[in-house]
Amino acid sequence: GAVVSQHPSWVICKSGTSVKIECRSLDFQATTMFWYRQFPKQSLMLMATSNEGSKATYEQGVEKDKFLINHASLTLSTLTVTSAHPEDSSFYICSARVTNTGELFFGEGSRLTVL
Amino acid sequence: EDKVVQSPLSLVVHEGDTVTLNCSYEVTNFRSLLWYKQEKKAPTFLFMLTSSGIEKKSGRLSSILDKKELFSILNITATQTGDSAVYLCAGAPGNAGNMLTFGGGTRLMVKP
Repeated sequence: GAVVSQHPSWVICKSGTSVKIECRSLDFQATTMFWYRQFPKQSLMLMATSNEGSKATYEQGVEKDKFLINHASLTLSTLTVTSAHPEDSSFYICSARVTNTGELFFGEGSRLTVL
Repeated sequence: EDKVVQSPLSLVVHEGDTVTLNCSYEVTNFRSLLWYKQEKKAPTFLFMLTSSGIEKKSGRLSSILDKKELFSILNITATQTGDSAVYLCAGAPGNAGNMLTFGGGTRLMVKP
């Protein structure tokens, strides 16, 4: 299957700092990528849909200024958690859509811990 | 509002047992139903089902979609301890860039 690489896989930061998470499609182009958040023992919650070259579409209740998404190329989307607080600690997962088949492949996920 | 419901919430079986996981969905402009297996990290793709009544099979896993009754099942035969995971199903619409609505997952534990 298609490979989606997410980096970093694990990050610890101090409260008030910003953290950037990258999501790359390694062997295909992804005009659309998705960012999810997952709390322990819960399912994935869609945060936003990222479209190459345009602004991301955020789900209800997700703060745009808090979670900045940039999809500057067909193979890279980034999620920046700005002024992170302990309640932002979570598992963040991206996925990228294969244009031809519609299948979605996930990155390995990034575990964020905010102290 | 789109909704995907999975059952059971959790399941404990012994190796060799067969399990059936259920997924019902209500997705606007439904296009496909996807199954994922999640162990410690991100979900891994299992199946994408678009047509009703056509079974997809991969080793001991199989899945089928019923678009009339709006549900799908995932079967695992001769379960192994390595099958222990959370199994997620997700409904995808035909528009909006294939935004998925996930079910809550079924936590499967296979005991030796």
